[in-house]
Amino acid sequence: GAVVSQHPSRVICKSGTSVKIECRSLDFQATTMFWYRQFPKQSLMLMATSNEGSKATYEQGVEKDKFLINHASLTLSTLTVTSAHPEDSSFYICSARVRGLNTEAFFGQGTRLTVV
Amino acid sequence: QQQVKQSPQSLIVQKGGISIINCAYENTAFDYFPWYQQFPGKGPALLIAIRPDVSEKKEGRFTISFNKSAKQFSLHIMDSQPGDSATYFCAASMRGSNYKLTFGKGTLLTVNP
Repeated sequence: GAVVSQHPSRVICKSGTSVKIECRSLDFQATTMFWYRQFPKQSLMLMATSNEGSKATYEQGVEKDKFLINHASLTLSTLTVTSAHPEDSSFYICSARVRGLNTEAFFGQGTRLTVV
Repeated sequence: QQQVKQSPQSLIVQKGGISIINCAYENTAFDYFPWYQQFPGKGPALLIAIRPDVSEKKEGRFTISFNKSAKQFSLHIMDSQPGDSATYFCAASMRGSNYKLTFGKGTLLTVNP
């Protein structure tokens, strides 16, 4: 099956700093990538949808200036949490939809962000 | 407004038993209904998915039953095993929205040995 690699798997940063999370499709081209946030024992909440070469579309309530998304190529999307605060601590997960397929999306292994 | 409602929130089943998780949706434009399995600290993994033109799909021990008129679909796990203990999410998506997924709230399944 298609593999989506997310890096890092865990990161601890100081309040006020920025953190970048990478999402790579290893063996396929991804025209669309999605970024989710998941709090403990809760469901996945979609933050934004990014299409290669264009600006990301953010869900209502998600601060685009705080969560910067770049989808520079068909295999790489990045999420940068700027000026992180403890309330940004969460599990961030990306998924990628295979180019040419209409439906199935593959998920990365997630990144546990802890802001201290 | 929650577009996909999932129940139960948690489920305990004995080894060898059948686990049943139910979901209901509101938006009739949804045309793709996947189920995901998530272990702690990991990303979700696709288990099985169905489109509304079929009423049932089976893959190994996992079966999706789909009722279009009732706008409901369910996951059945036959011969449940302790290794199936995980959180299960139903989801729905549609062509017009880049197939972005709307998730249910999840069901924590525990299979006792």
